[in-house]
Amino acid sequence: DGGITQSPKYLFRKEGQNVTLSCEQNLNHDAMYWYRQDPGQGLRLIYYSQIVNDFQKGDIAEGYSVSREKKESFPLTVTSAQKNPTAFYLCASSHGQPQHFGDGTRLSIL
Amino acid sequence: KQEVTQIPAALSVPEGENLVLNCSFTDSAIYNLQWFRQDPGKGLTSLLLIQSSQREQTSGRLNASLDKSSGRSTLYIAASQPGDSATYLCAVQVDSNYQLIWGAGTKLIIKP
Repeated sequence: DGGITQSPKYLFRKEGQNVTLSCEQNLNHDAMYWYRQDPGQGLRLIYYSQIVNDFQKGDIAEGYSVSREKKESFPLTVTSAQKNPTAFYLCASSHGQPQHFGDGTRLSIL
Repeated sequence: KQEVTQIPAALSVPEGENLVLNCSFTDSAIYNLQWFRQDPGKGLTSLLLIQSSQREQTSGRLNASLDKSSGRSTLYIAASQPGDSATYLCAVQVDSNYQLIWGAGTKLIIKP
């Protein structure tokens, strides 16, 4: 089945720790995106990538980093510099529009 | 700066009713407007996409309209069912890089 797989579903971060969220797609899409979703707010773009080995900052990139070494994979690292990381993180991919989404990773602070 | 607003934040209606969800945006310079559905703890599923040159799109019991001049879109759901209960989000594409600006969503509850 074609789709986007995000793992893990739940993740806990200790103070000072970096954590990495996985996003894999088998839709053969060139573009991939990371969003953050907080209660009562719209999705906010963290990073996006339109092609392998290239990515761009979104509106809230501070405290996050990404890589795009393979077309299928776009991992997101939440660094210790992100002081308020508790949120629901969504990965998406697309060939034009619309975007297709994974089921998300919920990140909490221990 | 483009802003997208969805009012109300939550809506509860009896099963079988027709209903309308609202989405407004501040800048009419958009490429398209999209409606998505999100079930609790899940990702988003695309429902309808309206290009900036179009006035409406239909899929089954769903009909979305777009009025760029007034900065408004509506999502009409006919004969609502309990399975329609979800959060509905709208988003506008604002540039050629496919970047979307999102509303906060309307949480819809259909009572059996």
